[in-house]
Amino acid sequence: GAVVSQHPSWVICKSGTSVKIECRSLDFQATTMFWYRQFPKQSLMLMATSNEGSKATYEQGVEKDKFLINHASLTLSTLTVTSAHPEDSSFYICSARSVRGQDTEAFFGQGTRLTVV
Amino acid sequence: GQSLEQPSEVTAVEGAIVQINCTYQTSGFYGLSWYQQHDGGAPTFLSYNALDGLEETGRFSSFLSRSDSYGYLLLQELQMKDSASYFCAVATGGGNKLTFGTGTQLKVEL
Repeated sequence: GAVVSQHPSWVICKSGTSVKIECRSLDFQATTMFWYRQFPKQSLMLMATSNEGSKATYEQGVEKDKFLINHASLTLSTLTVTSAHPEDSSFYICSARSVRGQDTEAFFGQGTRLTVV
Repeated sequence: GQSLEQPSEVTAVEGAIVQINCTYQTSGFYGLSWYQQHDGGAPTFLSYNALDGLEETGRFSSFLSRSDSYGYLLLQELQMKDSASYFCAVATGGGNKLTFGTGTQLKVEL
């Protein structure tokens, strides 16, 4: 199956700093990538849909100025958590769909565990 | 908006069969997917139903009834490694967008 690589797999940062998470599709091109956040023992909550070459579409309640998304190429999307606070500590996961046809499977990155101290 | 309901926890013994139900309310329904997630890991795809009926993939089968807004995941010959969280997810927006259910924690015991 297709491979989505997410980096870093974990990061600890100080409150007030920014953290960038990368999501790459390694063997296919992805016009659309998705960013999710998952708190412990909870479901994956869609944060935003990232479209190559255009602005991301954010879900209701997600601050677009805090969670900056850039999808500059068909294989790379980045999520930057700006001015991170302890409540931003979570598991962030990206997923991607292939540009080829109506694929029914979303390919997920391995996730990034962010801890803000 | 979308909402999906799943049981929060299911316990079964090794070798048994277990069914995890999922009911949903959504607009623009395209299909229902199932994902497995082990603690600390990313979700992995199990199955997808766009049409009514049963889809079988090895020990796992998934069922969909669009008229009832209901689906289930059936796991047969349970193994200890099947202990994980299972999420149903509805695809909308032409299949482009996934909204996940609340998740079911499956515990397989000896």
